[in-house]
Amino acid sequence: TQLLEQSPQFLSIQEGENLTVYCNSSSVFSSLQWYRQEPGEGPVLLVTVVTGGEVKKLKRLTFQFGDARKDSSLHITAAQTGDTGLYLCAGDNDMRFGAGTRLTVKP
Amino acid sequence: DTGVSQDPRHKITKRGQNVTFRCDPISEHNRLYWYRQTLGQGPEFLTYFQNEAQLEKSRLLSDRFSAERPKGSFSTLEIQRTEQGDSAMYLCASSLGLGLGPTTEQFFGPGTRLTVL
Repeated sequence: TQLLEQSPQFLSIQEGENLTVYCNSSSVFSSLQWYRQEPGEGPVLLVTVVTGGEVKKLKRLTFQFGDARKDSSLHITAAQTGDTGLYLCAGDNDMRFGAGTRLTVKP
Repeated sequence: DTGVSQDPRHKITKRGQNVTFRCDPISEHNRLYWYRQTLGQGPEFLTYFQNEAQLEKSRLLSDRFSAERPKGSFSTLEIQRTEQGDSAMYLCASSLGLGLGPTTEQFFGPGTRLTVL
């Protein structure tokens, strides 16, 4: 069973700041997914990264897959209060999620 | 079909009672997953079906837990003799998978929040 470690566990920032959260593993993935979850709801898929070194952009969110396909990062530019939520990563090799990064963006 | 649905959204029960949750996946999806999530944690995998076959069960799934997907469409998760430690959000997800290939892009339902008193 692969272990996905996410950091930081909690992050509280002011609106307009930039941030990066990380997802690391010792295992290699064919692909990795990022999800965002809001309180009382199920996770919603943001992106799937599949190629080592790949960078995907989704508006102010930039996702990067490590060259060795063991890790990934999510960078948010000019955070907004609507970005608040639990950010989860999941690897494709089994149905395991990281513990998530809980992001709070304050106005 | 607009997404994965779960019923009920909330369930309060007394310790020792049995509860059953239902999940209706996206209709063309052949894979269905159950997860449990406690406050501040990511979803913990419980079990997964491909069509009607239950292909994997986590060791978290004690013998008090059983899941079925009899016709390869909706699924039920039953917890017998509930304990306070069973209190959690139970999430269902579905995906379209090819053969025994890897799981990608799961679509989640809103979850059933279970409170065991």
